[in-house]
Amino acid sequence: RKEVEQDPGPFNVPEGATVAFNCTYSNSASQSFFWYRQDCRKEPKLLMSVYSSGNEDGRFTAQLNRASQYISLLIRDSKLSDSATYLCVVTPYGGYNKLIFGAGTRLAVHP
Amino acid sequence: GAGVSQSPRYKVAKRGQDVALRCDPISGHVSLFWYQQALGQGPEFLTYFQNEAQLDKSGLPSDRFFAERPEGSVSTLKIQRTQQEDSAVYLCASGTSGGETQYFGPGTRLLVL
Repeated sequence: RKEVEQDPGPFNVPEGATVAFNCTYSNSASQSFFWYRQDCRKEPKLLMSVYSSGNEDGRFTAQLNRASQYISLLIRDSKLSDSATYLCVVTPYGGYNKLIFGAGTRLAVHP
Repeated sequence: GAGVSQSPRYKVAKRGQDVALRCDPISGHVSLFWYQQALGQGPEFLTYFQNEAQLDKSGLPSDRFFAERPEGSVSTLKIQRTQQEDSAVYLCASGTSGGETQYFGPGTRLLVL
């Protein structure tokens, strides 16, 4: 079983739609949580950190449920430019910040 | 300012050849990571440096893989006797000491024929 699991998609949604991605992680001692965005043939880029209290950045809302070991990302009012792969990422407890990635969820926003 | 750079951007190797992939991190960044990303998968950790010290090489898939960062800045990932399963994108990331944010380079796309 992979340490971070995501639905690979693809999610095909029209512009303006709301879409939600989920992710589960297996190590309860995981320390930090992130969503990264990766465009086709590009490097991953940090989208946002994820906290138990939930956090919002414009149209994007992320939530962490430590008890269920579950992370979510909600995108409201989808834009064509949101089309990308969204990677769920955790770091292990203690020490340095080695990133453990899920396989990613593909999003395609169409006109 | 300049970000993380990697070279070459693309490399085609014949099976059995040795390859060397270079990473130039952001100036002053203490932490340096290498990741391998196979097609359709997320990046997977290979190794970690803090300055010139290689503190974790647990992700290196075999003893054919070797990484170094002798002066605490530029790093090289070397793959000896390449195999077809080594075909992947190799990503380098750097970060400040203790910082959570890692900045990724554009990657080297390796194809082993």
